[in-house]
Amino acid sequence: NAGVTQTPKFRVLKTGQSMTLLCAQDMNHEYMYWYRQDPGMGLRLIHYSVGEGTTAKGEVPDGYNVSRLKKQNFLLGLESAAPSQTSVYFCASTPESVSGELFFGEGSRLTVL
Amino acid sequence: KQEVTQIPAALSVPEGENLVLNCSFTDSAIYNLQWFRQDPGKGLTSLLLIQSSQREQTSGRLNASLDKSSGRSTLYIAASQPGDSATYLCAVSLAITGGADGLTFGKGTHLIIQP
Repeated sequence: NAGVTQTPKFRVLKTGQSMTLLCAQDMNHEYMYWYRQDPGMGLRLIHYSVGEGTTAKGEVPDGYNVSRLKKQNFLLGLESAAPSQTSVYFCASTPESVSGELFFGEGSRLTVL
Repeated sequence: KQEVTQIPAALSVPEGENLVLNCSFTDSAIYNLQWFRQDPGKGLTSLLLIQSSQREQTSGRLNASLDKSSGRSTLYIAASQPGDSATYLCAVSLAITGGADGLTFGKGTHLIIQP
């Protein structure tokens, strides 16, 4: 099993450009999450989804949009990238709320110039 | 707002020592607590999951305890090895949401085991 796969793994953007990060899981998990990890800040929740067709805001949602059109995919979009969005982005999934283990992808390193 | 604190931020010990990593959280109404390991440039790997009704969990050389009323958890690593070198993160979920809105993470303890 691939588990949780994130694409791309690395990306450099110019300020104002847009992009989409894709998270795909092959474990039939209901819950999916997008986190960002910054030095000195730890991991912070951006958006999450409790099932296909649903999304909700986390702690730091501004500047990001998400979609969960298919159960196995959770997309994170940046409409107009800013240098403050330079970070490592992690996707995670769990089968049923967080009563079980959270499975993480390997991360996507984004640099906004 | 839930806050999770991990002490120490960094730790370096010789191989073979037993060690304890500490985690504290401000809101004791948690759904569960998880300990993760993160290697440089990698994602997080779940090590131990403790439900709010449990006091401890063990996996191999790792033992995690939970004292929900005092807002504390410890991760005990026995007979440390160089391969244990990594960043260890503690995270909690809130009971009021059934954990649906994700985990709140501490900033981690960066552990180095000297050969």
